[in-house]
Amino acid sequence: EDQVTQSPEALRLQEGESSSLNCSYTVSGLRGLFWYRQDPGKGPEFLFTLYSAGEEKEKERLKATLTKKESFLHITAPKPEDSATYLCAAIANTGFQKLVFGTGTRLLVSP
Amino acid sequence: GAVVSQHPSRVICKSGTSVKIECRSLDFQATTMFWYRQFPKKSLMLMATSNEGSKATYEQGVEKDKFLINHASLTLSTLTVTSAHPEDSSFYICSARVLWGMNTEAFFGQGTRLTVV
Repeated sequence: EDQVTQSPEALRLQEGESSSLNCSYTVSGLRGLFWYRQDPGKGPEFLFTLYSAGEEKEKERLKATLTKKESFLHITAPKPEDSATYLCAAIANTGFQKLVFGTGTRLLVSP
Repeated sequence: GAVVSQHPSRVICKSGTSVKIECRSLDFQATTMFWYRQFPKKSLMLMATSNEGSKATYEQGVEKDKFLINHASLTLSTLTVTSAHPEDSSFYICSARVLWGMNTEAFFGQGTRLTVV
């Protein structure tokens, strides 16, 4: 069964304190690994899609990387406005290609 | 990125009534849309996959007659919660998939907060 696991469940950082969020996946033939940001009461906001091991993508203070078993979302010098829940999801190359979501990491960045 | 518009963002209805939620892809055609439900502090739970011009595919445990899905065009899918009850109160989110050659991206609507009183 396809699975996506995120850690930690919650993370508190001081402004400027860099860290990484982890997403481990077990998917039959990965077609894409997605990262989203979700603010309370809002739909997920698309951040990145990664397709193959070794791939990296950056956007402002965020950088996503992918290996054959996991993905990391690195946050460099975070600001309070980066506080949100970060969701990871994977699409397998089978069936209806449904997005399989992790449970998310709630990030709180304090000033 | 592509824009998915979901409406309404909030709705309050009385028990026993029906509520329709719309999901539109604004600048692209979406042959497949997905409907999710999200409980507080939980991840997204896929309810059904909506295919343009055909019947939706529901996940196990989701009542087809309770959650009616219609995908009448390439830019519009609707979810109707029929005979709503307080336990149907939740956050509902739609998503559309975009294919760029071998690449795929998935965009989400803003979500609809349904409260049944």
